[in-house]
Amino acid sequence: DQQVKQNSPSLSVQEGRISILNCDYTNSMFDYFLWYKKYPAEGPTFLISISSIKDKNEDGRFTVFLNKSAKHLSLHIVPSQPGDSAVYFCAGTSGSRLTFGEGTQLTVNP
Amino acid sequence: ETGVTQTPRHLVMGMTNKKSLKCEQHLGHNAMYWYKQSAKKPLELMFVYSLEERVENNSVPSRFSPECPNSSHLFLHLHTLQPEDSALYLCASSQDFPNEKLFFGSGTQLSVL
Repeated sequence: DQQVKQNSPSLSVQEGRISILNCDYTNSMFDYFLWYKKYPAEGPTFLISISSIKDKNEDGRFTVFLNKSAKHLSLHIVPSQPGDSAVYFCAGTSGSRLTFGEGTQLTVNP
Repeated sequence: ETGVTQTPRHLVMGMTNKKSLKCEQHLGHNAMYWYKQSAKKPLELMFVYSLEERVENNSVPSRFSPECPNSSHLFLHLHTLQPEDSALYLCASSQDFPNEKLFFGSGTQLSVL
């Protein structure tokens, strides 16, 4: 049973436009959600997080939205830049263990 | 050096070989992790050590054997692996456990022939 799903394996966006990456989860016990970014030949790096008691968290160009009733999480990047091209993983946690999605490859075209 | 360092970056081994993956963190963290990433699959947690004690063992086959001699070093000893064990093995650390903010190394890309 995959508790975190990222249904889009890839997304292509024009530079300057908005990138929206989506994530669905099934575990209602998750109390914290995170996004990690991974460049080729590097490990994932933490990007942004949100507590389950909030519906929005913003950090510069990155905003994460949480819709608990729909069990849906999204990451908005505005404006998108070529350097944002990477694999983005969402993850949920209920205390001791992070459960990751499969990742979405974002490509931002100049 | 800063961050989390993993060696080797690439490893090719036969099914009868014994090899070890090494991870070192320079962040002063108290928890270290091994994750496995197979192609097109989510990252899977394998082991967690907190203050050098194993706190999670996620039903990993015994052909994978972790070792944490101190809070800065983590090893994954490999023996009699199968071709389906070919994957990217990622080490991570966190300030403490549990902690959702992980700092990952670049990984070891393992191929089992």
